[in-house]
Amino acid sequence: KAGVTQTPRYLIKTRGQQVTLSCSPISGHRSVSWYQQTPGQGLQFLFEYFSETQRNKGNFPGRFSGRQFSNSRSEMNVSTLELGDSALYLCASSLLQGSTDTQYFGPGTRLTVL
Amino acid sequence: SQKIEQNSEALNIQEGKTATLTCNYTNYSPAYLQWYRQDPGRGPVFLLLIRENEKEKRKERLKVTFDTTLKQSLFHITASQPADSATYLCALFTGGGNKLTFGTGTQLKVEL
Repeated sequence: KAGVTQTPRYLIKTRGQQVTLSCSPISGHRSVSWYQQTPGQGLQFLFEYFSETQRNKGNFPGRFSGRQFSNSRSEMNVSTLELGDSALYLCASSLLQGSTDTQYFGPGTRLTVL
Repeated sequence: SQKIEQNSEALNIQEGKTATLTCNYTNYSPAYLQWYRQDPGRGPVFLLLIRENEKEKRKERLKVTFDTTLKQSLFHITASQPADSATYLCALFTGGGNKLTFGTGTQLKVEL
């Protein structure tokens, strides 16, 4: 079974631009979560989607948004990029939506904002 | 405020010894706690989940304890090997669904 895939793996943008990152979960998984990882703040939860509905949201500004499609693939968008948005963005999928479900992480998208 | 802290930024131990990593949390009452391993440039990989009513859980060379009174989890790797070198993260479910809050992580280096 293929793992979680994320595209692109690396991205360089300039301040003020917007970016869209993509995540394809493991086949059959319906829950997709997004996390931001930085050296200073560590891994922080952005949001979670389950069956195309946003179920949870972290403490990030409205510039960060996401969506999930009917095939469970998910995208996240960051508008008006700031230097501080440089980070590794990780996507995780799980079969259901429950606290004992194992989450499987993708390799991440490394975003650099110049 | 709610915090999850892990011991020291880096832990160096000799091959064959037992590594013990600590996860302390405040202002949470989690029903479950998870441990993950993360290698450089990769996403975290799930290792173990322990429930609040389980004092200890084992998987091969790994052992996790969970003390809800002390608000602490200990993660042990016995007979450590250089291949165990990685960053280890503890995580709690802190919201509905699959919202995980991660600890600060401990970088483990196992030396020959």
